[in-house]
Amino acid sequence: GENVEQHPSTLSVQEGDSAVIKCTYSDSASNYFPWYKQELGKGPQLIIDIRSNVGEKKDQRIAVTLNKTAKHFSLHITETQPEDSAVYFCAAPSSSASKIIFGSGTRLSIRP
Amino acid sequence: EAGVAQSPRYKIIEKRQSVAFWCNPISGHATLYWYQQILGQGPKLLIQFQNNGVVDDSQLPKDRFSAERLKGVDSTLKIQPAKLEDSAVYLCASSLAGVSYNEQFFGPGTRLTVL
Repeated sequence: GENVEQHPSTLSVQEGDSAVIKCTYSDSASNYFPWYKQELGKGPQLIIDIRSNVGEKKDQRIAVTLNKTAKHFSLHITETQPEDSAVYFCAAPSSSASKIIFGSGTRLSIRP
Repeated sequence: EAGVAQSPRYKIIEKRQSVAFWCNPISGHATLYWYQQILGQGPKLLIQFQNNGVVDDSQLPKDRFSAERLKGVDSTLKIQPAKLEDSAVYLCASSLAGVSYNEQFFGPGTRLTVL
């Protein structure tokens, strides 16, 4: 929390390929890491989250991995489809734990 | 289940004018958030309410921005007077409780353009 860095800012992949988005955080006490997807003209929507007591979580084609030692976590999307095109945001709790800090976002484009 | 409602969806004003945004959260959600999202950036929290009390307004420019949540349900965010740098999408979100691990449900946002 407090500072969340996200890379890359834009990502273009061929349909069917995988996409990986990475985030780092600064507060070692952070214990909850959500990922939000924002489609054009809409608000962000939670797609997956992970808590610090596990290293990986999967939900169909999406997965999130967490490395607490290195203070980074990643979103993995496999077998990408056109509907995966959107802006993805990672987030982590602030030190007060009452709010989350969002990363700067990754614009993912899926090429047909 | 109805989602978070916001109005208006778009607003264009000139600098130094005033503007107000309205938000109706999901029924039963105690916590309401207002975020500012500048083009190409992530949402930045402006203010967080728990019922009708303010939990966090540390990043709210209080000389020009104000917000209220009367009766712990609907909320309004006001900007007076607006500056060019206030051009952004203003997102309202709600959650069951005000802890970081509660999912936040976002409305569609209000896109503000200040000329």
